[in-house]
Amino acid sequence: AQSVTQPDIHITVSEGASLELRCNYSYGATPYLFWYVQSPGQGLQLLLKYFSGDTLVQGIKGFEAEFKRSQSSFNLRKPSVHWSDAAEYFCAVGAPGTGFQKLVFGTGTRLLVSP
Amino acid sequence: GAVVSQHPSWVICKSGTSVKIECRSLDFQATTMFWYRQFPKQSLMLMATSNEGSKATYEQGVEKDKFLINHASLTLSTLTVTSAHPEDSSFYICSARDRSGENTQYFGPGTRLTVL
Repeated sequence: AQSVTQPDIHITVSEGASLELRCNYSYGATPYLFWYVQSPGQGLQLLLKYFSGDTLVQGIKGFEAEFKRSQSSFNLRKPSVHWSDAAEYFCAVGAPGTGFQKLVFGTGTRLLVSP
Repeated sequence: GAVVSQHPSWVICKSGTSVKIECRSLDFQATTMFWYRQFPKQSLMLMATSNEGSKATYEQGVEKDKFLINHASLTLSTLTVTSAHPEDSSFYICSARDRSGENTQYFGPGTRLTVL
């Protein structure tokens, strides 16, 4: 079945440490890939996206993500986490069968940042 | 750029009443807007796709007569929850896709609906 998987429900990282959030997708064709961040009670902010080309994508707030076709993954990384990064992170795919218009979201990963 | 607003940000209503939520793209034209629902500590579920000047397309299991969507202009879509019940209480988020064709959705800040 077509799906988006974020295997980690919660992750706790010390401030200043590096971060990697995992995302795997299950689609026949390569979908469009997105990472969004949501602060409590707020909407979603786009961090970065991948459509084609360079598989290492740079986003806002110092985040980057790498598309790995062989692993069907699009993991989000940040070299040094700040306390303000604590939020919910959603991986999403633009489903190929919908002209990439419809977004299917993963279940989210809640990032906690410890002092 | 690419700012989407929603109004109201929160609303409390009595069971049986109707509630309208507005979604506006402030600095771009959106031929397509999307409405999502998010339950506490869960992911977003697409409810419907709204195209300017045409009827909305609803996802399976979403009652079109209960969740009325109107997309009358390139910058405004509305979601009306009719005869609301407590089980309709949720966080409703809209998104808008830029008319330029880029396949990126920009999200509004969401509307918290509580039905008493």
